[in-house]
Amino acid sequence: EAQVTQNPRYLITVTGKKLTVTCSQNMNHEYMSWYRQDPGLGLRQIYYSMNVEVTDKGDVPEGYKVSRKEKRNFPLILESPSPNQTSLYFCASSSSVFSPLHFGNGTRLTVT
Amino acid sequence: QKEVEQDPGPLSVPEGAIVSLNCTYSNSAFQYFMWYRQYSRKGPELLMYTYSSGNKEDGRFTAQVDKSSKYISLFIRDSQPSDSATYLCAMSSQGGKLIFGQGTELSVKP
Repeated sequence: EAQVTQNPRYLITVTGKKLTVTCSQNMNHEYMSWYRQDPGLGLRQIYYSMNVEVTDKGDVPEGYKVSRKEKRNFPLILESPSPNQTSLYFCASSSSVFSPLHFGNGTRLTVT
Repeated sequence: QKEVEQDPGPLSVPEGAIVSLNCTYSNSAFQYFMWYRQYSRKGPELLMYTYSSGNKEDGRFTAQVDKSSKYISLFIRDSQPSDSATYLCAMSSQGGKLIFGQGTELSVKP
């Protein structure tokens, strides 16, 4: 089954404790992206990747890192999480930057 | 001013009603227009994808794009309780950056 898989689904952590949210897709998609979804603000892009080893900032990149060492994986790294990063995070992929996105089921992160 | 504006609702309608969901945008470079549906605790899933002005129909769903007015709509005919979800418009330009609306929460009552 074609899918985007994120882990974990739920995560509660404390301020400053480094964490990684994994994202993997099995559709051989070149384009991958991370979004955060907050009430009243909709989906905002954090980082995106057009291909392996190619990443770029979205609208809200501060406090986040990504890497794209292989095509299928695009982990999101929070080196020093803060409470304002409490949010619902989605990973998405598509065959090209002009194609519709396939989304994962989200990771709900709480930073206390 | 946001590049894409969408009324967040919530919108509540009786089963069988025609639903109209709308977005306006300010960037005339947008060429690709999408509607996503998001059920609770799930990621958004693509409903409709259009490239140009005009209408596109898929079953009970019709997407309409008016580039001259910078306005897009999604119509749902014969709405069902299973249509209850949040609907997100999204659009992008040749540069590829996808911008989402806030999402409209729809509830269809039996």
